[in-house]
Amino acid sequence: RKEVEQDPGPFNVPEGATVAFNCTYSNSASQSFFWYRQDCRKEPKLLMSVYSSGNEDGRFTAQLNRASQYISLLIRDSKLSDSATYLCVVTFSGGYNKLIFGAGTRLAVHP
Amino acid sequence: GAGVSQSPRYKVAKRGQDVALRCDPISGHVSLFWYQQALGQGPEFLTYFQNEAQLDKSGLPSDRFFAERPEGSVSTLKIQRTQQEDSAVYLCASSFLPGQGYNEQFFGPGTRLTVL
Repeated sequence: RKEVEQDPGPFNVPEGATVAFNCTYSNSASQSFFWYRQDCRKEPKLLMSVYSSGNEDGRFTAQLNRASQYISLLIRDSKLSDSATYLCVVTFSGGYNKLIFGAGTRLAVHP
Repeated sequence: GAGVSQSPRYKVAKRGQDVALRCDPISGHVSLFWYQQALGQGPEFLTYFQNEAQLDKSGLPSDRFFAERPEGSVSTLKIQRTQQEDSAVYLCASSFLPGQGYNEQFFGPGTRLTVL
């Protein structure tokens, strides 16, 4: 079983739609949680950190449920520019902050 | 620019050749990571350096893979006797501080290796 699992998609949504991505992780010692965005043939870039209290950045809302080992990302009012692969990422204590990535969920926003 | 740079950006190798991939981290960044990203997958950790010390090489897939960072800045990932399964994008990332608190890792553009 992979340490971080995501629905690979693709999610094809129209502009303006709300879309939600889910992710589960298997290591209960996981310490930090993130969503990264990766455009086609580009490097991953940090989208946002994820906290148990939930956090919001504009149209993006991330949530962490430690008890269920579950992470989510909600994108409201989708834009064409949101088309990308969204990577769920965790680190764990004692791991030198190496990033453990899910396989990614592809999002395609169409007009 | 001030970001992480990698060279070459693209490398085609014949099976059995040795290759060397270079990473220039952001100046002053203590931590340096190498990741391997196969097509359609997320990046997978290969190895970690804190300055010149290689503290974690648990992700290196075989003894054909070797990494170094002799002066604590530039790093080289070397793959000997390349195989087709080595075809992937090799990503380098650096962050300012080591330790348990998270410091954002900044990624380079990657080297796309194709082994024929």
